[in-house]
Amino acid sequence: EDQVTQSPEALRLQEGESSSLNCSYTVSGLRGLFWYRQDPGKGPEFLFTLYSAGEEKEKERLKATLTKKESFLHITAPKPEDSATYLCAVLSNSGYALNFGKGTSLLVTP
Amino acid sequence: EAGVVQSPRYKIIEKKQPVAFWCNPISGHNTLYWYRQNLGQGPELLIRYENEEAVDDSQLPKDRFSAERLKGVDSTLKIQPAELGDSAVYLCASSPTTGTGTRGQYFGPGTRLLVL
Repeated sequence: EDQVTQSPEALRLQEGESSSLNCSYTVSGLRGLFWYRQDPGKGPEFLFTLYSAGEEKEKERLKATLTKKESFLHITAPKPEDSATYLCAVLSNSGYALNFGKGTSLLVTP
Repeated sequence: EAGVVQSPRYKIIEKKQPVAFWCNPISGHNTLYWYRQNLGQGPELLIRYENEEAVDDSQLPKDRFSAERLKGVDSTLKIQPAELGDSAVYLCASSPTTGTGTRGQYFGPGTRLLVL
């Protein structure tokens, strides 16, 4: 059974204080690993897709990396507008639905 | 392009009452998903449609939940009767091809249901 575990559950950073969010996964054949951002009262918004170990994707202050067991979302010099819940999800070769972790709630204070 | 549209955005009902949620996916997207998201959790799949056919409804509580996707476009998710534990956010998502492409799935804003 596919499993996705995200840590930490919550993270509070000062503006400019870089950090990383972790997503550990167990899947029977990875078709893709997805990162989403979810703001309060909104649906998840797509950030990145990673397909194979060693792959990296960047967007503004965010950088996602992938190994065979986990993915990291690195946030460099975050700003208050980066505050949100970050969700990790996997898509396995045996299914078509995303299997989500519980998310990391990030708060960036000025 | 217009995103996934859901209505209503909020719904408050008494337990044992029926409730229905509506979803209009992105134009041209053949695959439609309904997810339920409990507070502090990630979304969990309820049902997946390929065009008008429900191809994965194994997680749908069929004693009280039903769904339909007429003409392979809009979809409705119904709960009858609602229970206190059904309070959650119901998310609709769509994707352009069978399965999930490079951008994953496109999500709507969700319907927030509170059962009293």
